[in-house]
Amino acid sequence: AQSVTQLDSQVPVFEEAPVELRCNYSSSVSVYLFWYVQYPNQGLQLLLKYLSGSTLVKGINGFEAEFNKSQTSFHLRKPSVHISDTAEYFCAVTSGDYKLSFGAGTTVTVRA
Amino acid sequence: DTGVSQNPRHKITKRGQNVTFRCDPISEHNRLYWYRQTLGQGPEFLTYFQNEAQLEKSRLLSDRFSAERPKGSFSTLEIQRTEQGDSAMYLCASKGDYYEQYFGPGTRLTVT
Repeated sequence: AQSVTQLDSQVPVFEEAPVELRCNYSSSVSVYLFWYVQYPNQGLQLLLKYLSGSTLVKGINGFEAEFNKSQTSFHLRKPSVHISDTAEYFCAVTSGDYKLSFGAGTTVTVRA
Repeated sequence: DTGVSQNPRHKITKRGQNVTFRCDPISEHNRLYWYRQTLGQGPEFLTYFQNEAQLEKSRLLSDRFSAERPKGSFSTLEIQRTEQGDSAMYLCASKGDYYEQYFGPGTRLTVT
């Protein structure tokens, strides 16, 4: 079984500042990792994914994440945030059966 | 590709009533997943289908819950004798040949 820990429940940040959301996972097998974003009263939208290969993955809306196998981490970063990035962000992990295990989420609030 | 759709978007019901939700996946996606998300938490896996076969059910899925996917197309999730603890967002996702799951907008259930 896999599990995900998102280390920050809330992250306030000023517009145009960088942001990092931390995610650690545990698993006894090889995993695939994802970051999703959820806007109020909406479903989840895929930001980016790590399947294999390069440990630095780029996603939509200027987000990127780095997979670190030795530290079992998959932290999400954006160099300059916008007001529209205000949302909840979920890190998720899956293995061969492809059902997702999610973290509890990180609420990002971008202030002008 | 019209995306994953879910109906209804909101449902308010009285305790003890039965409710049914519908999910229409992306056409040609063979896997369909149901998740439940409570306030302030990440989604939790409930069950999934490969075509019309229900392959796994979570321990979260009590005997009051039943899901079907006739003919491997749309899916329904029924909750019998609803309880206040069933209040949550119910999310559906579909997956094709690649690893990512595409989520619908969810059905928010409120049990009064």
